[in-house]
Amino acid sequence: AQSVTQLDSQVPVFEEAPVELRCNYSSSVSVYLFWYVQYPNQGLQLLLKYLSGSTLVKGINGFEAEFNKSQTSFHLRKPSVHISDTAEYFCAVSLSGGYNKLIFGAGTRLAVHP
Amino acid sequence: EPEVTQTPSHQVTQMGQEVILRCVPISNHLYFYWYRQILGQKVEFLVSFYNNEISEKSEIFDDQFSVERPDGSNFTLKIRSTKLEDSAMYFCASRQGADTQYFGPGTRLTVL
Repeated sequence: AQSVTQLDSQVPVFEEAPVELRCNYSSSVSVYLFWYVQYPNQGLQLLLKYLSGSTLVKGINGFEAEFNKSQTSFHLRKPSVHISDTAEYFCAVSLSGGYNKLIFGAGTRLAVHP
Repeated sequence: EPEVTQTPSHQVTQMGQEVILRCVPISNHLYFYWYRQILGQKVEFLVSFYNNEISEKSEIFDDQFSVERPDGSNFTLKIRSTKLEDSAMYFCASRQGADTQYFGPGTRLTVL
């Protein structure tokens, strides 16, 4: 079975500072990896995804993530955050191929302060 | 840009009542899902639906739950007899190909 661990439940950061949100996964088979963002009182929006190929993937709003197979990690980074990045961020995995469900981590609350 | 829509945005019901949550997936998508998020907890998979039948369901999705695609556009989740612990945000998602699921804005269900 697959599982996802988001190591930080909350990450406070000042505006214009860099941020990294950590995600580790467990799976014995090939997976796809995703980061979703949830703004207050809204649904889940896809930030970026890793399916195959280049291990560095770029997403919307200046975010990027790096897939590290040996460390089974998929950490999310942004070099300079804005107040508007304040949200809940979810890492998720699914088995590659087919119509497989998403398995989510517990989420990381990013709080950007002025 | 096409999007998944859900109605209602908020549903309040009495314990024991039936509720139907509605979703309109993106029109050319083939795979449909329901997830739920209890307040302060992680998003959990409930059920997936493909080719007019359930393809996978979780332990949460017991006999009180059912899904239907009645008319080729709507995708519904029915809870026959709601319990207090069914209070949660329910998300519908759809997918065309083998990777990205697109989520709706959710329905907040409150069971009193």
